[in-house]
Amino acid sequence: GESVGLHLPTLSVQEGDNSIINCAYSNSASDYFIWYKQESGKGPQFIIDIRSNMDKRQGQRVTVLLNKTVKHLSLQIAATQPGDSAVYFCAEKRNSGGYQKVTFGTGTKLQVIP
Amino acid sequence: DAGVIQSPRHEVTEMGQEVTLRCKPISGHNSLFWYRQTMMRGLELLIYFNNNVPIDDSGMPEDRFSAKMPNASFSTLKIQPSEPRDSAVYFCASGRLATSTDTQYFGPGTRLTVL
Repeated sequence: GESVGLHLPTLSVQEGDNSIINCAYSNSASDYFIWYKQESGKGPQFIIDIRSNMDKRQGQRVTVLLNKTVKHLSLQIAATQPGDSAVYFCAEKRNSGGYQKVTFGTGTKLQVIP
Repeated sequence: DAGVIQSPRHEVTEMGQEVTLRCKPISGHNSLFWYRQTMMRGLELLIYFNNNVPIDDSGMPEDRFSAKMPNASFSTLKIQPSEPRDSAVYFCASGRLATSTDTQYFGPGTRLTVL
């Protein structure tokens, strides 16, 4: 029979509007966080990162916010464009057994409506 | 910089056959990761190498899967024998994880279909 796949949360945004993608991370010991963008048929690509001693970091059209109290990470995309349509993953990194362990979230699909 | 190179980009094989996926990491990176991505389970870490040594293979599904990194510029992921449930996109990523503030760079992936 048919397999049931992951139901990715989907965010639909009008072109030109701002997008906010949210992520809850699991481990309070994580000290570094990354957002990746994955376009159809491609591997995940680095967008922006933030250390745990920061609560905000800005890039070109993107801003990452970190709230360690509630273990929440968000990615804000300003003036969303059709090329922003993709699946966005957050990832957390922490020291585990002497090496850096990275754990990826399940992803959010961003659909930009022209 | 050529980025992470994976080959083949697509592989179609029959159940029971051996499959070998290849990866060339970015020059200078000392860590290499193999991931599997499916609709069912999302992005899963299979194995992680640091300085060519396997560090964590707890994500390798079973004995049918094996990975090697004979030198700093090459790694393979082998499935023998392959099964239809192995069908997925397999990604290789590399990075310099000696410090905590470095990230992984992903290759384009190999789409594996096992019939």
